[in-house]
Parts: sequence; C-alpha cells; structure tokens
Amino acid sequence: EAQVTQNPRYLITVTGKKLTVTCSQNMNHEYMSWYRQDPGLGLRQIYYSMNVEVTDKGDVPEGYKVSRKEKRNFPLILESPSPNQTSLYFCASSPLVSGDHEQYFGPGTRLTVT
Amino acid sequence: AQKVTQAQTEISVVEKEDVTLDCVYETRDTTYYLFWYKQPPSGELVFLIRRNSFDEQNEISGRYSWNFQKSTSSFNFTITASQVVDSAVYFCALGTGYALNFGKGTSLLVTP
Repeated sequence: EAQVTQNPRYLITVTGKKLTVTCSQNMNHEYMSWYRQDPGLGLRQIYYSMNVEVTDKGDVPEGYKVSRKEKRNFPLILESPSPNQTSLYFCASSPLVSGDHEQYFGPGTRLTVT
Repeated sequence: AQKVTQAQTEISVVEKEDVTLDCVYETRDTTYYLFWYKQPPSGELVFLIRRNSFDEQNEISGRYSWNFQKSTSSFNFTITASQVVDSAVYFCALGTGYALNFGKGTSLLVTP
C-alpha cells in the first residue's frame, strides 16, 4: 500500500530533550516536506526536500533540522525542544520536484513539550 | 509573497443545505496551483482537488464543485446538499515553486 508513515504518532517530552520524528514514504517520491499545524494558523511549512541531500527552509524553520540521506526517509529533528513547538506535525511527499503536485500526507504526529 | 485567505473561520449548516467555502489567494507567479484538502475529525488530510492557473474551468465531482476565477483570485468550494459526514476542517492551498502555502482553514459543522 502506497503511504507516508510517521513515528511516533504521539509524543510527550520535556524542554531541551532532543527528539526525532521519523517520516518514510514507499512511493519513490522526489519531494518531501514537513508542516506544523496550530489552531487558528493552519498548516505552515517547516522544511522541504527536493531530492536526496537537497533541503531548504520553509516558512517556520527555526528550532528544527532535517536530513535527506535516503530518498524514502525525511526525519525531523528538534535538538532542544521548547513548549512553543507543541504542535501537530505532518510529513508529506510528492512525485514531482516542486510544490505543484498533490502531496500525500502522513497521519500526523502530535507533540507536546512540557 | 504567497498568501491564502480563508475568511470564514467556522460555518454551521443544517443537513441538506448548500454551503460555499471561500478561498482568496495572492501570488505574483503566473504559474501556480490551487488545492483543497479536507481534514475530518480523525485528523488525516485528504486531497480533494488540484487546479493549475491556466485552467479556469469549473469542476464538479458529485456533491462537490469548485469555482476558479482568476479575475478575483478566488477558488471557492461548494458542497451541495451537505451531509453530516462533510463536517471537517477544509483547507485551501496555493502551490508555487517548491512551496505549498495553506490558508488557516474553515471549520464546517453540518448538523442533522
């Protein structure tokens, strides 16, 4: 089944404790992206990747890191999480190397930083 | 700068009513793409439609229809004869280059 998977689905952590949210797609897509969703703000793009080893900042990259060492994986790293990073995170992938195609979203990861 | 405005934060209708969700976008690009996504209470994001900037034809899919008007930079979404299962948050999005900019969403509640 073609899908985007994220792990964990739910995470409660404390301020400053490094964490990684994994994202994997099995559709051989070139493009992958991370978004955060906050009440009243919609979805905002954090980082995106056009291909292996090629990443760029979205609208809200502060406090996040990403890497794209393999085509299928695009982990989101929070080196020192803070409470303002409490949010619902979505990973997405797309077959084309641009934002003009339908993006396939993962199920979301709900992160709480205390 | 790219921007998507969904002015309606929340809409409540009674089942079988028609409802239109508004979307206004801003971009200087001549080539761009517009999307609608649905987020039901379960939380996943469901793709509904994609339209490119050169195709202003309206589209109908069952009870759903979309009206794209470049002259007013709008891409509105109408649900005809709404049903309780249509209750969800609906997002309009603008795709340009590598970015996908979402509106803040419209929460639709359909009551029996």
